[in-house]
Amino acid sequence: NAGVTQTPKFQVLKTGQSMTLQCAQDMNHNSMYWYRQDPGMGLRLIYYSASEGTTDKGEVPNGYNVSRLNKREFSLRLESAAPSQTSVYFCASSKAGAVDTQYFGPGTRLTVL
Amino acid sequence: GQQVMQIPQYQHVQEGEDFTTYCNSSTTLSNIQWYKQRPGGHPVFLIQLVKSGEVKKQKRLTFQFGEAKKNSSLHITATQTTDVGTYFCAGPRIGNQFYFGTGTSLTVIP
Repeated sequence: NAGVTQTPKFQVLKTGQSMTLQCAQDMNHNSMYWYRQDPGMGLRLIYYSASEGTTDKGEVPNGYNVSRLNKREFSLRLESAAPSQTSVYFCASSKAGAVDTQYFGPGTRLTVL
Repeated sequence: GQQVMQIPQYQHVQEGEDFTTYCNSSTTLSNIQWYKQRPGGHPVFLIQLVKSGEVKKQKRLTFQFGEAKKNSSLHITATQTTDVGTYFCAGPRIGNQFYFGTGTSLTVIP
């Protein structure tokens, strides 16, 4: 099992450009998450998907859109990138249950110039 | 919204010294989780605490959940260089929100 995979690993964008971060999991998990991690801010939830076909805003959703394409895949789109979106982005998944352990992907390091 | 505060933000210790990080919430938590993130890596789940006053051990790591279920701690005995990383606590998911603490970055000086 690959667990949670993310592409790309690194990306540099210019202000105003768009891009989609891809995430896939092979653990048959129902729940998937997108976080951003900034120095001193910890991990902040951008969007959450409880199951295929459902998505909910997290703590910091502005400037992002998501698609839960199927049970395996959950993508994050930046329509018009801004320097404030420079961050490390992590995708995670969980089975959802008594112990809702989150399994994280390796992350995407995004720089917006 | 629910906030989980974590202290200290940074901690430098000599190898062999002990280390403790604390997590505090203004509200009662049904459970709390702990994760470790190595430098350049991704968070990895360590443990979940559920019961009031619960204490769990994993080798040199001791996790505690407060009696009031509003605070938690992670204590590492006799740190090693392999303990380097950032330790995060996380409150339970409430609806569509899931909050991590800001993390404690541990540096171990050989």
